[in-house]
Amino acid sequence: TQLLEQSPQFLSIQEGENLTVYCNSSSVFSSLQWYRQEPGEGPVLLVTVVTGGEVKKLKRLTFQFGDARKDSSLHITAAQPGDTGLYLCAGAPDSWGKLQFGAGTQVVVTP
Amino acid sequence: DTEVTQTPKHLVMGMTNKKSLKCEQHMGHRAMYWYKQKAKKPPELMFVYSYEKLSINESVPSRFSPECPNSSLLNLHLHALQPEDSALYLCASSQAPGLAGGTGELFFGEGSRLTVL
Repeated sequence: TQLLEQSPQFLSIQEGENLTVYCNSSSVFSSLQWYRQEPGEGPVLLVTVVTGGEVKKLKRLTFQFGDARKDSSLHITAAQPGDTGLYLCAGAPDSWGKLQFGAGTQVVVTP
Repeated sequence: DTEVTQTPKHLVMGMTNKKSLKCEQHMGHRAMYWYKQKAKKPPELMFVYSYEKLSINESVPSRFSPECPNSSLLNLHLHALQPEDSALYLCASSQAPGLAGGTGELFFGEGSRLTVL
């Protein structure tokens, strides 16, 4: 089983601050996805990164896939209370493989 | 609004009850999944159906019985559950695993919150 390690486990910040969540593995993934889950809801796909070194932006969120396709990061600029949620990274080892989830990062943004 | 619909949203059952969770998607996806999620933990894979056939069973106890009547529907039949089975049960769908260029992106429903008394 290829493990994805997410850090930190918990982040509490004030509105307007920046934050970064990391997702690391010793194994190569063909693609990596980031999901956000709000309380009482299912996870919602934010982005998929496929190419090593790829950077994708979604409004105030910036996602990066490591050159070796073993790690990824999510950076949120000027966080807002609506960014509160459980952030999950998930990696596909290959097109036939099962998606592996990281343990998740609980982000709380207070006004 | 999610394109994967799960019912019921909440379910309370006793250990001797038989109940079912239902999931429906109309995105033309040919893979459907059941996940179990405990509070503040990531989803844990239970079952995968690919082209209406069970392709993965993650050693789930037989008190959970999945069924895929057609490409749009997925059920999870529950019988003789234990209190530790209380959790959020998530249904998801994706393009069929192994599809060339596919990235396995999952589309989740809102989940069914199950409480076993």
